[in-house]
Amino acid sequence: EPEVTQTPSHQVTQMGQEVILRCVPISNHLYFYWYRQILGQKVEFLVSFYNNEISEKSEIFDDQFSVERPDGSNFTLKIRSTKLEDSAMYFCASSELGVAGELFFGEGSRLTVL
Amino acid sequence: QKEVEQNSGPLSVPEGAIASLNCTYSDRGSQSFFWYRQYSGKSPELIMFIYSNGDKEDGRFTAQLNKASQYVSLLIRDSQPSDSATYLCAVNIGNQGGKLIFGQGTELSVKP
Repeated sequence: EPEVTQTPSHQVTQMGQEVILRCVPISNHLYFYWYRQILGQKVEFLVSFYNNEISEKSEIFDDQFSVERPDGSNFTLKIRSTKLEDSAMYFCASSELGVAGELFFGEGSRLTVL
Repeated sequence: QKEVEQNSGPLSVPEGAIASLNCTYSDRGSQSFFWYRQYSGKSPELIMFIYSNGDKEDGRFTAQLNKASQYVSLLIRDSQPSDSATYLCAVNIGNQGGKLIFGQGTELSVKP
């Protein structure tokens, strides 16, 4: 069964460092997303991406965040200068249809900022 | 602010019983509704989706949607200890990008 894959599964970084989280969405999907979940809290939307551009982003997704689809398979989330409050599980998701379609999530990348 | 609300629980049911999970949403423009299961430390896993008013059954799971009252529920029949998890209600408000807004989840515990 096709799945969304994410790397790394866990990353520990120092405050102020740049982090890149990587995702390989399901191959025939067209819509890509990043969500995050701080421990014990809701799953929160960060950004959606379609047709090689951001289609929507949340208030959380400020100038410190960026996304890229550098080739036909990878979808990356970059945090330029990490803060303590960026510590969370980051989930990549993809969807075939967008508006009405189900989102399929990867296993997540746990980011710990010290 | 578009909200999705769930009781955080924990909801405890005995094995074999029916578990009933509820969710309300604030945006009347919401178009599609999803139930995800999340085990501790794991990613959300899609269980069911529903778009139209009424009931939708899939095995032991039934999703119910009432758009007039802005609520969606999930019934789990013959609950098993392996159903113990947090159940997330998610709503698509119809935006082109297809983002989902999640509730905080209801923790379900099924006791053997």
